Amino acid sequence: SQQGEEDPQALSIQEGENATMNCSYKTSINNLQWYRQNSGRGLVHLILIRSNEREKHSGRLRVTLDTSKKSSSLLITASRAADTASYFCATGKTGTASKLTFGTGTRLQVTL
Amino acid sequence: GAVVSQHPSWVICKSGTSVKIECRSLDFQATTMFWYRQFPKQSLMLMATSNEGSKATYEQGVEKDKFLINHASLTLSTLTVTSAHPEDSSFYICSARDSVDLAKNIQYFGAGTRLSVL
Repeated sequence: SQQGEEDPQALSIQEGENATMNCSYKTSINNLQWYRQNSGRGLVHLILIRSNEREKHSGRLRVTLDTSKKSSSLLITASRAADTASYFCATGKTGTASKLTFGTGTRLQVTL
Repeated sequence: GAVVSQHPSWVICKSGTSVKIECRSLDFQATTMFWYRQFPKQSLMLMATSNEGSKATYEQGVEKDKFLINHASLTLSTLTVTSAHPEDSSFYICSARDSVDLAKNIQYFGAGTRLSVL
């Protein structure tokens, strides 16, 4: 079964607004990553947060991690039409360094 | 940045034929590569982990004789869909981990291959 469940499944906002998507997972993790996928393309790594970190920033991205709640959020500030894509969280389990388990994804639509 | 090249990007084949998909790490060495399958508007499903110089590790429910994986060098892994049938039609994506930076466990993805079996 999928490790991560994301919500919302789909999000539609206007350019300039902020977009927040959430990810929940079930088991202990080493780290949590967020990836972006444009339609019909591969995934691009956005940001990684380790299990001992609570918040991380990269440009317009802000990621939080709450290991007690087994959840993470990705905030995209001042969204642009080019941010339109699907966003996936991925977790690396403790003890299995290689494999990543991807969440169900959030489809973000940013309109002008 | 790390670049992974995947070919072909799109392939149409007749039922019963075999299709080979290549995944290459262009500017880094990858002892481990991964093959995923993705259905429309769904997440990625890991099919197998490809290990350079050894047999691939398949996920539960994935037929190893159906999906042949070869990882003969540090920069190339191939997935062959043997005797393809319409139900094998899907989007296949590969990824690779940089052997030098294993601790980060970041995967670099190819652009994917859309397989349509007629």
